[in-house]
Amino acid sequence: DGGITQSPKYLFRKEGQNVTLSCEQNLNHDAMYWYRQDPGQGLRLIYYSQIVNDFQKGDIAEGYSVSREKKESFPLTVTSAQKNPTAFYLCASSGSGTGGHPSTDTQYFGPGTRLTVL
Amino acid sequence: AQSVAQPEDQVNVAEGNPLTVKCTYSVSGNPYLFWYVQYPNRGLQFLLKYITGDNLVKGSYGFEAEFNKSQTSFHLKKPSALVSDSALYFCAVRDNAGNNRKLIWGLGTSLAVNP
Repeated sequence: DGGITQSPKYLFRKEGQNVTLSCEQNLNHDAMYWYRQDPGQGLRLIYYSQIVNDFQKGDIAEGYSVSREKKESFPLTVTSAQKNPTAFYLCASSGSGTGGHPSTDTQYFGPGTRLTVL
Repeated sequence: AQSVAQPEDQVNVAEGNPLTVKCTYSVSGNPYLFWYVQYPNRGLQFLLKYITGDNLVKGSYGFEAEFNKSQTSFHLKKPSALVSDSALYFCAVRDNAGNNRKLIWGLGTSLAVNP
């Protein structure tokens, strides 16, 4: 069964702690993304990676870090430097395609992780 | 600047009536447009996309969207709404400013279908 998995579904963290959110995909997609969703603010891009061992900052990267050591995996670490980390975090991936076909831009999402800082 | 606007925070429609969720965009070059749906506490599900060709695009769950280049719009439609269509709907456009395959997202429209 192909898809994107995120774990855990719910995560609680004490202030000052780092926490890592998992994202795994078996769609053989080159690109992966992390978004943060807050009520009324839509989706905001944290980091994205177009290929293994490469990633780029999105619009709100401060206080977050990522790695992309494997094509299938794109974990997100929420550090203690993130001032307001309580949010719903979504991971997505998209395919590479061939010849620049634009259908590769379709992003497919995991079920999300809800992080709450206590 | 490239952008997507969903002018309505919430849309209410009676079950069985047609529904429209509006989206307008501003992007350089050819627009690649997408609609997604999100149910509570779930990830986003892809509904449909416009890349090129026929201006009327058909997607999942009976939804369709009409691309209008002159009005820079890509409104989502369904002929007969179901209560189960109640969800949050997002419009997105590909960021054409760089070769990065990012999407630019609207803020979402909450659709409520009343029985």
